[in-house]
Amino acid sequence: AQSVAQPEDQVNVAEGNPLTVKCTYSVSGNPYLFWYVQYPNRGLQFLLKYITGDNLVKGSYGFEAEFNKSQTSFHLKKPSALVSDSALYFCAVRAFNDYKLSFGAGTTVTVRA
Amino acid sequence: IAGITQAPTSQILAAGRRMTLRCTQDMRHNAMYWYRQDLGLGLRLIHYSNTAGTTGKGEVPDGYSVSRANTDDFPLTLASAVPSQTSVYFCASSPRENLNSPLHFGNGTRLTVT
Repeated sequence: AQSVAQPEDQVNVAEGNPLTVKCTYSVSGNPYLFWYVQYPNRGLQFLLKYITGDNLVKGSYGFEAEFNKSQTSFHLKKPSALVSDSALYFCAVRAFNDYKLSFGAGTTVTVRA
Repeated sequence: IAGITQAPTSQILAAGRRMTLRCTQDMRHNAMYWYRQDLGLGLRLIHYSNTAGTTGKGEVPDGYSVSRANTDDFPLTLASAVPSQTSVYFCASSPRENLNSPLHFGNGTRLTVT
């Protein structure tokens, strides 16, 4: 069975500081990894994905994520956070041959001005 | 604008009543999904469909049923609602032929069972 762990319920940072949201996963075989963001009363929006190739992937709104196979991690990063980045962030994993996408519990990011 | 439409936006339902949550997409995606979102638990897959005419069970299927009569529609039915089904329900879709494509989500249905 596949699973995702997001060890931090909340992350608080000051605007302009680096932002990191942690994610570790468990899946059989090669993983497809995703990050989504959710704003209040909205559905999830896709940020970025790792399929294969370069371990550092870049996505929307200045976010990037680093895939680490040995640590089974896929941490989300942004070099300089904005107040508008305050939202709920979800990491998700799918096995390469499976339609089902499994999500972590989510991490609430608060960026203070 | 292409996307997923869910209805209703919110609903308060008495326990024991039957309820169907509607989901329609206009992207011609073959795969569709129903998730429920609960605080501290993230999103959990209820049912999915890889293509019209087929459905499968996710992590938490009990108390729910789905049908997929055509590509565009994927309704979720609660035959006899219970308070533990109070949640926010999200419908999603993705292209069947490309498993590394991200899911597209609707804006959700907030359901309260009293």
